[in-house]
Amino acid sequence: EVQLVESGGGLVQPGGSLRLSCEASGFTVSSNYMSWVRQAPGKGLAWVSIVYAGGNPYYADSVKGRFTISRDIFKNTLFLQMDSLRAEDTALYYCARHYSGSGSYFSGFDYWGQGTLVTVSS
Amino acid sequence: QSALTQPASVSGSPGQSITISCTGSSSDVGSYNYVSWYQQHPGKAPKLMIYDVTKRPSGDSNRFSGSKSGNTASLTISGLQAEDEADYYCCSYAGSSSLVFGGGTKLTVL
Repeated sequence: EVQLVESGGGLVQPGGSLRLSCEASGFTVSSNYMSWVRQAPGKGLAWVSIVYAGGNPYYADSVKGRFTISRDIFKNTLFLQMDSLRAEDTALYYCARHYSGSGSYFSGFDYWGQGTLVTVSS
Repeated sequence: QSALTQPASVSGSPGQSITISCTGSSSDVGSYNYVSWYQQHPGKAPKLMIYDVTKRPSGDSNRFSGSKSGNTASLTISGLQAEDEADYYCCSYAGSSSLVFGGGTKLTVL
């Protein structure tokens, strides 16, 4: 059974750092495209970052230069290192697996975790 | 990376059909057949309902269907049921390895 479990969220001051983790089971993270998606309280979904199966990372303009996506092959875990955090980064952060059954990795997200809450406030 | 435009809310009675629109641009929805739709109940993670504009994940309800015309994608739910009440989000590939979501639509079943 495919499962994604996020952790690492919490309260951090503006300018601070946090590292989120997403532990996967039932599939191999490094063989899939994986993304982080966030949802500010009471707001909609927003794509944050993607890592290709080959390891190439890409970011939304709003987090470029501040966030870093990575993977640990042995732990089968996805990470999001968040630096220089701002109030507007406050959100529930989901990790999601890209569906790979249609020939394109941008078809959609077929599995999501339950999210980890990040609050940036002084 | 501007968000796709969705109506804030739609409503319908049980058994009726409703359609939710998702308007983007020639840089995203209009250029790629990689539009997906998600259902999100309060306090829950999103669930994939439609991918590649029109395709349904195996085993999912055929009451949900997707389409696209130009820069606008649409999600239609037929035979509306009480459990369909939720927030719905569209998402499109936007080129250069980026994705963009819509602002979300709250569906109320009257």
